[in-house]
Amino acid sequence: DQQVKQNSPSLSVQEGRISILNCDYTNSMFDYFLWYKKYPAEGPTFLISISSIKDKNEDGRFTVFLNKSAKHLSLHIVPSQPGDSAVYFCAASYSNDYKLSFGAGTTVTVRA
Amino acid sequence: NAGVTQTPKFQVLKTGQSMTLQCAQDMNHNSMYWYRQDPGMGLRLIYYSASEGTTDKGEVPNGYNVSRLNKREFSLRLESAAPSQTSVYFCASSDILGIVSYEQYFGPGTRLTVT
Repeated sequence: DQQVKQNSPSLSVQEGRISILNCDYTNSMFDYFLWYKKYPAEGPTFLISISSIKDKNEDGRFTVFLNKSAKHLSLHIVPSQPGDSAVYFCAASYSNDYKLSFGAGTTVTVRA
Repeated sequence: NAGVTQTPKFQVLKTGQSMTLQCAQDMNHNSMYWYRQDPGMGLRLIYYSASEGTTDKGEVPNGYNVSRLNKREFSLRLESAAPSQTSVYFCASSDILGIVSYEQYFGPGTRLTVT
C-alpha cells in the first residue's frame, strides 16, 4: 500500500502563473519530505525538502508547505516557466531510516 | 565529476535470460539504492546498501539480487528475467548527514524490456 500519494497525475498551467502540486502521506512517522523533478530520459533530481519541525521552506521560485495534522504537503512554483515542465515526485522518510518512499508523480505542463 | 553512472542505457532480454545492471558513483557516498519506475507507481525500492559490505531488501526484491562490490559500485542482477520486470531502473546514492538531508542522487536510468 502506497504510503505517499499524489492524487493528481497531471497539471497544466500557463506560463507566469502559479503551479500547486499536492502530496498526502499516511505514515505518521515520516518526518522528512522531499520533492524531486524528472525530465524524460533522465534520472530524478532533488528540488527542495522540508523537515517536520518546519511548516514552510522556500528556495527561489519553489516553496514547500507542510501540514502535519492533515498529513499533507504541497509544492508551489511561482512563476511557472516552460523549463518547469517535468514530472514531480514527492518523497518521504523518517529519522534513522534513510530509505525514501515515493509518490506516483505529477506531470506538469507549462503552456506558453 | 560524473555523479552516478549506469550501464547499459537500454537492454532487451528474452524471458529466462539473465543480466546485470551496473552502477557506480564517484561522490564517496556510503549508501546506494536500486529503484524501478513503472507507470502510475512512482519509484519503488528494490534493494539498498547502507554501507559497503551490507545489503538489504526494499519494497519489491523478488526476482533480483544485488552486490555491493566496493564503496563505488552496486550492481543489480536479474537471474531469470520475466516480462513483469520490464521497467526503467534507477540507481541512486546518498550520504547520511544526520537529519539534515536525506537527498539521494540518481543515475540516468536503464530502460529494460523483457519479451
